[in-house]
Amino acid sequence: DAGITQSPRHKVTETGTPVTLRCHQTENHRYMYWYRQDPGHGLRLIHYSYGVKDTDKGEVSDGYSVSRSKTEDFLLTLESATSSQTSVYFCAISESGTAITNYGYTFGSGTRLTVV
Amino acid sequence: AQKITQTQPGMFVQEKEAVTLDCTYDTSDQSYGLFWYKQPSSGEMIFLIYQGSYDEQNATEGRYSLNFQKARKSANLVISASQLGDSAMYFCAMREGLPGGSYIPTFGRGTSLIVHP
Repeated sequence: DAGITQSPRHKVTETGTPVTLRCHQTENHRYMYWYRQDPGHGLRLIHYSYGVKDTDKGEVSDGYSVSRSKTEDFLLTLESATSSQTSVYFCAISESGTAITNYGYTFGSGTRLTVV
Repeated sequence: AQKITQTQPGMFVQEKEAVTLDCTYDTSDQSYGLFWYKQPSSGEMIFLIYQGSYDEQNATEGRYSLNFQKARKSANLVISASQLGDSAMYFCAMREGLPGGSYIPTFGRGTSLIVHP
């Protein structure tokens, strides 16, 4: 049983429509992250959260917003989807700690989003 | 400038041989963590190994070891006795502190490893 689940797993949407992706965790971890993965770019951070209602922007946040109203859920919204947002989106979670604390990141299975 | 550089887009290795995947990083912090993740064709991200910046010994996890050269800012992943199931994308990542007190990881662009029988 995975401690982190993403929904939906696949989605096709039209340009200009809003889209919301959900990340749900059962680990009670403080940190949650949204990444997008594109060929040749690796994983790039979109937004992250360090607590309920505490979020901040990542490297590629334009066109995306997030919300975290409870510990277990982190929502990513594409306000008006564009073809450049076609990607695979990963959610990740981690415990609290410092830069050198030995804790890793648990990833969801990813959401493949296609904007047509 | 990239914080994590993986210069090998693709690597090939013969089964049962060792392979080194390169990773260099850029940070001015003294405290940071380095990670390697594996992503097979099925898409999931699998944690392999972790090295803290103050760790004096190279990290090892089974057939995986991290060759940590702090002065060179490199954190190469060594896979010994490669297996066909090692064929995957491999990502190097670094965690460092932000001014606001959060700690987030930055990932490299990845290296695709193909293991030949």
